[in-house]
Amino acid sequence: DGGITQSPKYLFRKEGQNVTLSCEQNLNHDAMYWYRQDPGQGLRLIYYSQIVNDFQKGDIAEGYSVSREKKESFPLTVTSAQKNPTAFYLCASSIVGTGVQETQYFGPGTRLLVL
Amino acid sequence: QKEVEQDPGPLSVPEGAIVSLNCTYSNSAFQYFMWYRQYSRKGPELLMYTYSSGNKEDGRFTAQVDKSSKYISLFIRDSQPSDSATYLCAMSAGGKLIFGQGTELSVKP
Repeated sequence: DGGITQSPKYLFRKEGQNVTLSCEQNLNHDAMYWYRQDPGQGLRLIYYSQIVNDFQKGDIAEGYSVSREKKESFPLTVTSAQKNPTAFYLCASSIVGTGVQETQYFGPGTRLLVL
Repeated sequence: QKEVEQDPGPLSVPEGAIVSLNCTYSNSAFQYFMWYRQYSRKGPELLMYTYSSGNKEDGRFTAQVDKSSKYISLFIRDSQPSDSATYLCAMSAGGKLIFGQGTELSVKP
């Protein structure tokens, strides 16, 4: 059963704490993405990776870090430098190509809340 | 000005109504246009994909792209309560997807 999994479903962060969100895919996609979703603001790109051991900053990378050591995995760390981390975080993956090949498939999301 | 603008709604319609959801954009280089549906507290799922201008139909859903006006639409015929969700438009010129803010739709039985 192919797809994208994210864990945990809910995550609570204390002030000054770093937390890591997990994203795994078994679609054999080369590209993976992290988005943040806030009410009324749509999806904003945090980081993306098109190949193992390489990743690029998106529009709102400050306060976040990622790694891509395996094709299947793209974890996101929300650092203490991110002052407003409360949001719904979505991971996506796609083939690297053009047009319909770039269709992104999304995971179920992780909701991060600050204690 | 945002690259992609979408009326956030919320939009409430009775069951059976025709729904029109719209996005405008400013980047004339966009060639690939998508509509995603997102149920509450879930990840978005691809609903429709269109390349360049024209119409595409899939069951009760029709996607329309007018590149001359920089305007895209999604029509839902015979709307059902199960269509209640947030609809996100997305577009690209090849590479990064740019999303609209999403329109929250509620279809009342």
